[in-house]
Amino acid sequence: EVQLVESGGGLVQPGGSLRLSCSASGVTFSSYAMHWVRQAPGKGLEYVLAISSNGGSTYYADSVKGRFTISRDNSKNTLYLQMSSLRAEDTAVYYCVKDPDWYGGYYFDYWGQGTLVTVSS
Amino acid sequence: QSALTQPRSVSGSPGQSVTISCTGTSSDVGGYNYVSWYQQHPGKAPKLMIYDVSKRPSGVPDRFSGSKSGNTASLTISGLQAEDEADYYCCSYAGSYPRVFGTGTKVTVL
Repeated sequence: EVQLVESGGGLVQPGGSLRLSCSASGVTFSSYAMHWVRQAPGKGLEYVLAISSNGGSTYYADSVKGRFTISRDNSKNTLYLQMSSLRAEDTAVYYCVKDPDWYGGYYFDYWGQGTLVTVSS
Repeated sequence: QSALTQPRSVSGSPGQSVTISCTGTSSDVGGYNYVSWYQQHPGKAPKLMIYDVSKRPSGVPDRFSGSKSGNTASLTISGLQAEDEADYYCCSYAGSYPRVFGTGTKVTVL
């Protein structure tokens, strides 16, 4: 059974930094692209970042470009999201999402349970 | 890319059918047969219900079906059941990595 478990969320002050992790099990992690999708409280889903299976290709939405970094360690079956210069509008549940393809397929087949990031003073 | 447009809410009685629309542009929905749909219950993670416009993953009931015409995709739930009450989001491939989500639709079972 595929499991994606996010961790690292919490309360952070505006301008601060945070690193999220997503641990994968039940899947050959190194074979699949991965994504981060976020959802602000009471709002819809927002596609934010992506990384190919070998980490060679990445995508950043304009809303996080220059502030967030996506990376992965295939030896540890773990996806990371380094967040800096955080703003109130970054407050959201962050979901780790698996792609069915190595580069970037056309849908998301497994989602983690999400981790809440709250940016507030 | 702008979010795909979905109705804010739809409702139906148990056993009835409801259809949710998802309207985009020729750069996303209309340009590719890669629309997917996700169900989200309150406080839970989204779950894949339909992919590639009309394909159902293993374990998804066949009362869920998808279709597309032009720039609009649709999700139909036939034989509505109480457990179908949830938020539903469409998502479209838009070339390379960017994916575009819909605005979300709340399905209420009366």
